[in-house]
Amino acid sequence: DAGVIQSPRHEVTEMGQEVTLRCKPISGHNSLFWYRQTMMRGLELLIYFNNNVPIDDSGMPEDRFSAKMPNASFSTLKIQPSEPRDSAVYFCASRLGPFSGNTIYFGEGSWLTVV
Amino acid sequence: SQKIEQNSEALNIQEGKTATLTCNYTNYSPAYLQWYRQDPGRGPVFLLLIRENEKEKRKERLKVTFDTTLKQSLFHITASQPADSATYLCALDEAAGNKLTFGGGTRVLVKP
Repeated sequence: DAGVIQSPRHEVTEMGQEVTLRCKPISGHNSLFWYRQTMMRGLELLIYFNNNVPIDDSGMPEDRFSAKMPNASFSTLKIQPSEPRDSAVYFCASRLGPFSGNTIYFGEGSWLTVV
Repeated sequence: SQKIEQNSEALNIQEGKTATLTCNYTNYSPAYLQWYRQDPGRGPVFLLLIRENEKEKRKERLKVTFDTTLKQSLFHITASQPADSATYLCALDEAAGNKLTFGGGTRVLVKP
């Protein structure tokens, strides 16, 4: 299996622009997670889905952030409008769920810089 | 409030020695506790999982303990090697909700 695939790997955008991050989970995994990692705050859970349904979005920082999972093999995280403080690494991860105790597999991350 | 605390200071250790990392948590009731390794520029990679009713788990040179009374897990790397240099993250896996929450991670540097 190719693992969790994220795109783009790197993005530099200007403040106020819309940013869309994409994720393809591992085939057969029905839980998908979006995390954000910064030096100051570590790895924060933004939102997760079970069977394409958003379960907990309490980690989404504000209304500028939105996430969708239109089908089992694709998810997007959108930031509109983007701000410099959104600069971070955004990780998508998936696992076989919704069961605790299963391994979670991460993508390589999308490195976002907002200038 | 809920907290997962790992030592934010880097752990510098001589090759061949044992590295011991701690993970303390507050106001969680994890069914499982997981440890991950993260290399610079990469996503975290799973290492070990321990259940709430297990005291200890081993995998090759790695050992994890889990004390639900102390609300603490210890992660040991025995006979450490320079290739073990990385950041190590603990994650709490609660039975309800399928939610995996991570600590801040501890960076380990093994010197030859």
